[in-house]
Amino acid sequence: SQQGEEDPQALSIQEGENATMNCSYKTSINNLQWYRQNSGRGLVHLILIRSNEREKHSGRLRVTLDTSKKSSSLLITASRAADTASYFCATDDKIIFGKGTRLHILP
Amino acid sequence: DTGVSQDPRHKITKRGQNVTFRCDPISEHNRLYWYRQTLGQGPEFLTYFQNEAQLEKSRLLSDRFSAERPKGSFSTLEIQRTEQGDSAMYLCASSSPDRDPIEKLFFGSGTQLSVL
Repeated sequence: SQQGEEDPQALSIQEGENATMNCSYKTSINNLQWYRQNSGRGLVHLILIRSNEREKHSGRLRVTLDTSKKSSSLLITASRAADTASYFCATDDKIIFGKGTRLHILP
Repeated sequence: DTGVSQDPRHKITKRGQNVTFRCDPISEHNRLYWYRQTLGQGPEFLTYFQNEAQLEKSRLLSDRFSAERPKGSFSTLEIQRTEQGDSAMYLCASSSPDRDPIEKLFFGSGTQLSVL
């Protein structure tokens, strides 16, 4: 079974707009991570947020965590064509991934 | 290149044949994971090693699948009597929880298996 579930499954936005994707999980966690995967490649770690943090920033990325709702969101600001990829969340329980959000940036 | 490497990148085989994939993790990483990913899905956990010990296997890993990490360095994943349903991307990842208390995975580019 999958611990994290991303929403939406697919998202298309214009270049320059912000993209928001969400992740819900089932059990208590110590931390939650977001990864990116370009087509046909392996996953790349983007950002990690600990359970005692509510928000974290890294460049154009902003992650929030709501442990009471067991959910996290990833915001990509000022999107670029290179952001086109699939995005996955993973919790620290055996590093289980959800199905991902496929983000497509339109020129 | 000091990243995770996987070989081969692509493998085409006929149903019923055996295949073996290799993963070379980042040298100082003691933990190694195998995942399987089909189109439009997230990576599904198969198994992981701590050094040479295989600590956990998913129920997805049928008897036809076997993984080894004999010296705690590289790992192999073998699939015997392949079936068309085995067609997928097989991803390897490594981590070093001893050095980094927050486990972060480093992935290889994967081996794409096509079973005809």
